[in-house]
Amino acid sequence: KQEVTQIPAALSVPEGENLVLNCSFTDSAIYNLQWFRQDPGKGLTSLLLIQSSQREQTSGRLNASLDKSSGRSTLYIAASQPGDSATYLCVLLNQAGTALIFGKGTTLSVSS
Amino acid sequence: EPEVTQTPSHQVTQMGQEVILRCVPISNHLYFYWYRQILGQKVEFLVSFYNNEISEKSEIFDDQFSVERPDGSNFTLKIRSTKLEDSAMYFCASSGQLGETQYFGPGTRLLVL
Repeated sequence: KQEVTQIPAALSVPEGENLVLNCSFTDSAIYNLQWFRQDPGKGLTSLLLIQSSQREQTSGRLNASLDKSSGRSTLYIAASQPGDSATYLCVLLNQAGTALIFGKGTTLSVSS
Repeated sequence: EPEVTQTPSHQVTQMGQEVILRCVPISNHLYFYWYRQILGQKVEFLVSFYNNEISEKSEIFDDQFSVERPDGSNFTLKIRSTKLEDSAMYFCASSGQLGETQYFGPGTRLLVL
């Protein structure tokens, strides 16, 4: 059974700092990997999607990498801002493409 | 920008009662999903739906649960006889094609007393 683990569970940084969130998973048979953002009381927003054949994706200040063979992904956030404060979820799409499997998330707090 | 909507935003019900959670997926999407998140826990997959059939369901999605697309716009999740442990945030999502990004609604917070 696929398990997704995220480290750290929580992170507090001052504004402007660069940071890395880590994700590991147990089964490399995935369709794709996504990083989502969850704000309190709100829905889930996809930030980046990496297909299983890709190694990384970039969007603005965000860069996500995927190493399927080692079962790892990282989300790099450059020049963090208070508006980046949220829970970041590492999410795998199963090989059949029918179900998302979520990590528990890293809760990020960026102070001004 | 098109978005997934869900109603109600909050629902309180008594144990044993039936509830129906409603979702309006993005209009040209073909794949629909329900997920739930118990407070303090990770988001869990319940069911995926395509072409008026369930494509996949998790162990959580037992006989107490059912899904339906009653018309061209709505997608519903019914819990037949609610239990205390059904209290959770329920998220609906949709995607255009298999494997594409799933777009999530804001969720329905269900509280079973």
